[in-house]
Amino acid sequence: GNSVTQMEGPVTLSEEAFLTINCTYTATGYPSLFWYVQYPGEGLQLLLKATKADDKGSNKGFEATYRKETTSFHLEKGSVQVSDSAVYFCALSGFAGGTSYGKLTFGQGTILTVHP
Amino acid sequence: EADIYQTPRYLVIGTGKKITLECSQTMGHDKMYWYQQDPGMELHLIHYSYGVNSTEKGDLSSESTVSRIRTEHFPLTLESARPSHTSQYLCASSGQGRGYGYTFGSGTRLTVV
Repeated sequence: GNSVTQMEGPVTLSEEAFLTINCTYTATGYPSLFWYVQYPGEGLQLLLKATKADDKGSNKGFEATYRKETTSFHLEKGSVQVSDSAVYFCALSGFAGGTSYGKLTFGQGTILTVHP
Repeated sequence: EADIYQTPRYLVIGTGKKITLECSQTMGHDKMYWYQQDPGMELHLIHYSYGVNSTEKGDLSSESTVSRIRTEHFPLTLESARPSHTSQYLCASSGQGRGYGYTFGSGTRLTVV
């Protein structure tokens, strides 16, 4: 079955530091890959996505590249801000036949705390 | 601007009470989902629906039930709340096709005392 593994957290950084949150996956075929962000007390928001190998998703200074050869979708940001403090979830959606894509499989989430 | 709405945002209720958590979306999505999120953050799928009159249980067994009588509405009901039901409940919906992803509501934080 499909699975997503995220790096263990929590991650604590100083403002303007470089961020990497690792994500690797197991899936058959060519899944779509996503990063979601959850701010305190809120639901999840889509941060970025990639639907095929070598695609780069980007948003709000965050980037992730779909690497089929290493089955990875690591999240990066060059300079984090205090406002980036949140929980980050990696997820995949596997092909379920026809034009249908199946339920999202989520990683366990990584807490990011950024200090001034 | 939210296109999927959950009410209430917070609910504190006594043991044994019946509760319904509301979820509505305005995007015309056929697929809708309920997740339970534990304090350790992990998301557990408890129910999903692929259209009107279609409901399925998710990966985590739950005492709650759901219904899907209208495309836009996917309520979750607990007939008799217990302290073990205390959690965050998140509703989501998705469209068809590759790379669509989910749109989440803001969640309901349920506390059973």
